[in-house]
Amino acid sequence: GENVEQHPSTLSVQEGDSAVIKCTYSDSASNYFPWYKQELGKRPQLIIDIRSNVGEKKDQRIAVTLNKTAKHFSLHITETQPEDSAVYFCAARGGSQGNLIFGKGTKLSVKP
Amino acid sequence: EAQVTQNPRYLITVTGKKLTVTCSQNMNHEYMSWYRQDPGLGLRQIYYSMNVEVTDKGDVPEGYKVSRKEKRNFPLILESPSPNQTSLYFCASSFWGANQPQHFGDGTRLSIL
Repeated sequence: GENVEQHPSTLSVQEGDSAVIKCTYSDSASNYFPWYKQELGKRPQLIIDIRSNVGEKKDQRIAVTLNKTAKHFSLHITETQPEDSAVYFCAARGGSQGNLIFGKGTKLSVKP
Repeated sequence: EAQVTQNPRYLITVTGKKLTVTCSQNMNHEYMSWYRQDPGLGLRQIYYSMNVEVTDKGDVPEGYKVSRKEKRNFPLILESPSPNQTSLYFCASSFWGANQPQHFGDGTRLSIL
């Protein structure tokens, strides 16, 4: 089955800097890659997703890139702000079952 | 408002006392799923359902049961809870299809003493 690895597990940046979180997946049939943000005590919320027929997608300060050959995808947050502090999860879904498999999460801290 | 509703939000109970966590969605989603979240382990899938009367095991199904008698409801049942099932549980739903985003409930924090 699918296995998703996420790095780093913790990331600390200064306000205004960029943050990058990377994930790799094992199942070459996977074709959907969402990113979720989870603030303390709250549910995971979808912030951006990418399909396998697209290499990059941007939404304001957030972008995701996908390299299907290498089986990895990354989340890029530019001009970070304190409210970006949260745990971020990547996930991959594909194959006949369509289950979403999550990485273990990255705790992002943005220091003012 | 489109949402996934879980109840209860918090529960403290004792080993062996059967409990049910309910999950209901109002978006007509075919796919529903249960996850548990533990520190350092991310979100691990317990069970999922692709439609009414269709359920299957996720990565950590031991000690749990589910049912899907109606499209909107997907209860999680712990027949004989044990302390290692103390965790934060999330229900999620989506339309069926590999590219459909998943919507999460607000979570249920279970403590089994």
